Amino acid sequence: AQSVSQHNHHVILSEAASLELGCNYSYGGTVNLFWYVQYPGQHLQLLLKYFSGDPLVKGIKGFEAEFIKSKFSFNLRKPSVQWSDTAEYFCAVTPNSGYSTLTFGKGTMLLVSP
Amino acid sequence: EAQVTQNPRYLITVTGKKLTVTCSQNMNHEYMSWYRQDPGLGLRQIYYSMNVEVTDKGDVPEGYKVSRKEKRNFPLILESPSPNQTSLYFCASSSQDRGRGYTFGSGTRLTVV
Repeated sequence: AQSVSQHNHHVILSEAASLELGCNYSYGGTVNLFWYVQYPGQHLQLLLKYFSGDPLVKGIKGFEAEFIKSKFSFNLRKPSVQWSDTAEYFCAVTPNSGYSTLTFGKGTMLLVSP
Repeated sequence: EAQVTQNPRYLITVTGKKLTVTCSQNMNHEYMSWYRQDPGLGLRQIYYSMNVEVTDKGDVPEGYKVSRKEKRNFPLILESPSPNQTSLYFCASSSQDRGRGYTFGSGTRLTVV
């Protein structure tokens, strides 16, 4: 079975700082990778996804992520965060064949101070 | 509008009183899942369904039941709720092309006293 590890449980940044949230997964085969965001009191929204092709994936709101297969990593980045990026971020993985669980990491809570 | 609809949004109940949380999607998705979200534990899958009449256990199925009699609906049933089932619950659906990602409902906050 697959698993996901997110490096930081809490991150605090000032506005305009750069962001990188770490995500590593464990699975022996080909995977689909996702980053979801959950704003306070809301449901999960898809930020971006990778399933094939260019390993550098661009998502909504200026976020991007890079899939590094050799490192089993899918880190989320944003060059300059805003106060409105305060939210919880979840990395998730699912195998690319058949059907299996969409497995989530435990989440990283990002607090951006104005 | 493409969406996953859960009801109710908030529910407070007493131990042992059977309840059902409904989930409906209008995207003709084959796959549907239930997750529970707890602080520090992220989202854990309870049950999933690959299609009508096909369901299977996720990581934390104990104390829950599901059914998939129609493609659009995937209710979550707690036959005898207990306080450790107090949680935030999300329903999600996806097409067979899972590269498109899952669409999540707005969540149901359940409190069992």
